Amino acid sequence: KNEVEQSPQNLTAQEGEFITINCSYSVGISALHWLQQHPGGGIVSLFMLSSGKKKHGRLIATINIQEKHSSLHITASHPRDSAVYICAVYPNRDTDKLIFGTGTRLQVFP
Amino acid sequence: EAQVTQNPRYLITVTGKKLTVTCSQNMNHEYMSWYRQDPGLGLRQIYYSMNVEVTDKGDVPEGYKVSRKEKRNFPLILESPSPNQTSLYFCASSPLMGGGYTFGSGTRLTVV
Repeated sequence: KNEVEQSPQNLTAQEGEFITINCSYSVGISALHWLQQHPGGGIVSLFMLSSGKKKHGRLIATINIQEKHSSLHITASHPRDSAVYICAVYPNRDTDKLIFGTGTRLQVFP
Repeated sequence: EAQVTQNPRYLITVTGKKLTVTCSQNMNHEYMSWYRQDPGLGLRQIYYSMNVEVTDKGDVPEGYKVSRKEKRNFPLILESPSPNQTSLYFCASSPLMGGGYTFGSGTRLTVV
């Protein structure tokens, strides 16, 4: 079983919809990354968080350390949000190494 | 601009022909790492380095070598590439102690 699980694996939405992507992990962590990978391949860090909630524009990330769960929300989704979203955690046993989920592929249609 | 630069972006090569993928960062990060990304498997760590002359194996090191002679550079070497090394490769760097990763743009390697 993967130490980091994401759901759903694939997600389609109409423009304007509210999107939620979930990440659950089974190890103790010091922090969690949400990453975005566009079809061209490059990976960009969206958020790094260790508690609570962070917001950047239409993106909101939350984390519940006790429940070992994080969510990424996209409000008023747009076709340019179409990408693969990857959750990655820093495990307490090795605070420099990231463990990655397999990603959620999001497609937003006009 | 703070960045991780990988080259080349695309590479097609033949089995057994040695190749090097370069990675350079301009943020003075101690930690650098190589990943490969394959469909359904996500990102898997190949090798990492916590500082100059300090390298260690990740989860899938077989068939790869790295070196860290300078802090900014961390090349990935395939001495004798094989078709199962066809993949999308990413270099990344971060300050130590979970300071946040910066990724390169990726290298799509095809070995025929």
